[in-house]
Amino acid sequence: DTGVSQDPRHKITKRGQNVTFRCDPISEHNRLYWYRQTLGQGPEFLTYFQNEAQLEKSRLLSDRFSAERPKGSFSTLEIQRTEQGDSAMYLCASSLASGSLPTYEQYFGPGTRLTVT
Amino acid sequence: DQQVKQNSPSLSVQEGRISILNCDYTNSMFDYFLWYKKYPAEGPTFLISISSIKDKNEDGRFTVFLNKSAKHLSLHIVPSQPGDSAVYFCAASAGIGSQGNLIFGKGTKLSVKP
Repeated sequence: DTGVSQDPRHKITKRGQNVTFRCDPISEHNRLYWYRQTLGQGPEFLTYFQNEAQLEKSRLLSDRFSAERPKGSFSTLEIQRTEQGDSAMYLCASSLASGSLPTYEQYFGPGTRLTVT
Repeated sequence: DQQVKQNSPSLSVQEGRISILNCDYTNSMFDYFLWYKKYPAEGPTFLISISSIKDKNEDGRFTVFLNKSAKHLSLHIVPSQPGDSAVYFCAASAGIGSQGNLIFGKGTKLSVKP
């Protein structure tokens, strides 16, 4: 039984560099969510996919952020031209939705901690 | 403006006693509520949930109470154990039509002392 996995667990990068994170959801889950968490805050929604379709983006997701889920399985989140304000924990979660009805319980991975210097 | 509020940043409880964590919300469209537990360097772990059509849900030592008129929910842990020490997040979903993304509070750090 494997849960949600994320890679890498930690990433240190210099301002202006591009970074890419990967998330592997629970295998039978068709919905995949990305959240960002900063110190002292709860997770904040960024975007989500149902299968391979990206269905919603938060206003937090600037043009420098792009997410893909090409085959409806794993997903990648790329940040271009990183800024110090991008330093945060990036969390991936998955859930199983039947038709248009969501399953509310989302299962989270361990997160990728990004530090931009 | 925060739609989900956890006004107590921290709570300290003696082992064996009851822990009560509180959460308030402002959006009347929320119809499903969840509690997550988070240990350092790990992702949040789903704990317990409640639909807005109920006022109580119980799972072992964990009970969630929902007061819709007051837009308030609470998580009771009885008896508290040192392993319960973690940050607890309250989350809400606006349900059908909302796409299912969760809106989280800032969390309450629970410390259970032996």
